[in-house]
Amino acid sequence: NAGVTQTPKFRILKIGQSMTLQCTQDMNHNYMYWYRQDPGMGLKLIYYSVGAGITDKGEVPNGYNVSRSTTEDFPLRLELAAPSQTSVYFCASSYPLTGAIYEQYFGPGTRLTVT
Amino acid sequence: DQQVKQNSPSLSVQEGRISILNCDYTNSMFDYFLWYKKYPAEGPTFLISISSIKDKNEDGRFTVFLNKSAKHLSLHIVPSQPGDSAVYFCAAKSDVGGGSNYKLTFGKGTLLTVNP
Repeated sequence: NAGVTQTPKFRILKIGQSMTLQCTQDMNHNYMYWYRQDPGMGLKLIYYSVGAGITDKGEVPNGYNVSRSTTEDFPLRLELAAPSQTSVYFCASSYPLTGAIYEQYFGPGTRLTVT
Repeated sequence: DQQVKQNSPSLSVQEGRISILNCDYTNSMFDYFLWYKKYPAEGPTFLISISSIKDKNEDGRFTVFLNKSAKHLSLHIVPSQPGDSAVYFCAAKSDVGGGSNYKLTFGKGTLLTVNP
């Protein structure tokens, strides 16, 4: 049981490039989330999904897109990378109906630098 | 507008002593609170939580206290161990839309250092 996995671990992008951050969970969780953490800041919610085919915006969705075609995968797409998107990105998942109510399980993160 | 505030960026304690990490919130709609622990280069991991209908929850060395009238919660670690050195995030849950949708709002975190 690998939990939540994210690839890549690190990436350097040039301004204007695009990329997809991958996230996969093997816990059969319905809910999945993307957060970003800027230095010295808390985690900000970018997008979330309550199930396959359903996504919604969080606090800071501008510049990002997501899709959820399967329960397991929740990729995050950056179309035109900007320096303001330099951050550490965390994917998380949860299944509210378990005993650990509202607990979210996090992946190890992707450190992205845009120069 | 920061709805969940951890006003101490860092805290240093001696091994064996008590660590107290504080968190304040402003949104009365928060009804569940969680503490997460984060080591460098890893994702946050869940530590302990408390519902707004309770004022205390204990799990081994970790206890969370909630003072709803003051909109304040704290995490107590007794006794502190060097392995507890990490960043601790406070998070608060609020419902989003209808049904069972919810979101977590995180504080900025407090770096705890436990010295041997």
